[in-house]
Amino acid sequence: KAGVTQTPRYLIKTRGQQVTLSCSPISGHRSVSWYQQTPGQGLQFLFEYFSETQRNKGNFPGRFSGRQFSNSRSEMNVSTLELGDSALYLCASSRNPGLAADTQYFGPGTRLTVL
Amino acid sequence: AQSVTQLDSQVPVFEEAPVELRCNYSSSVSVYLFWYVQYPNQGLQLLLKYLSGSTLVKGINGFEAEFNKSQTSFHLRKPSVHISDTAEYFCAVSDRAGTASKLTFGTGTRLQVTL
Repeated sequence: KAGVTQTPRYLIKTRGQQVTLSCSPISGHRSVSWYQQTPGQGLQFLFEYFSETQRNKGNFPGRFSGRQFSNSRSEMNVSTLELGDSALYLCASSRNPGLAADTQYFGPGTRLTVL
Repeated sequence: AQSVTQLDSQVPVFEEAPVELRCNYSSSVSVYLFWYVQYPNQGLQLLLKYLSGSTLVKGINGFEAEFNKSQTSFHLRKPSVHISDTAEYFCAVSDRAGTASKLTFGTGTRLQVTL
């Protein structure tokens, strides 16, 4: 069974631009979550999607948004990029949304560098 | 709200020696506990999780962790490490009443195994 896939793996953008990252969950998984990982702040929850609806959101500005498609694939978008948005963006999927004990399976991440 | 403290940012250890990575958490509600490992340039992989029952949890790659409710700790141990265990290890918690996605992570412990 294929794991969580994220594209692209690496991105370089300049300040002010916008970026879209893509995530394909494990087949059969309906919940997709996004995390930002930086050396200073560690791993921080961005948001979770299930059935094309955002169910939870972390403490990030409105420049960070996402969506989920009917096939459970998800995208996240960051507008008006800032230097501080440079990070590894991780996507995770789980089979049973709403079950806190369920395991989240992480993708390899997209490394975003903002110049 | 929950918080997770990983007391050691780096742990150097010789191959075949035992290791303990410490994790303490704080929460006003009951939580589930997880340990994830991140190898260089990869996403996170679940090592083990504590849901209920026996406080000693066995995971993959010979790792185990013990839940101590009175000390609010969930330390990770391995009796004999291998070079291939060199990685970053993250302790995380989730609210039992919440959804799977709201994982709160510690800042990570870098395990460096040398010959």
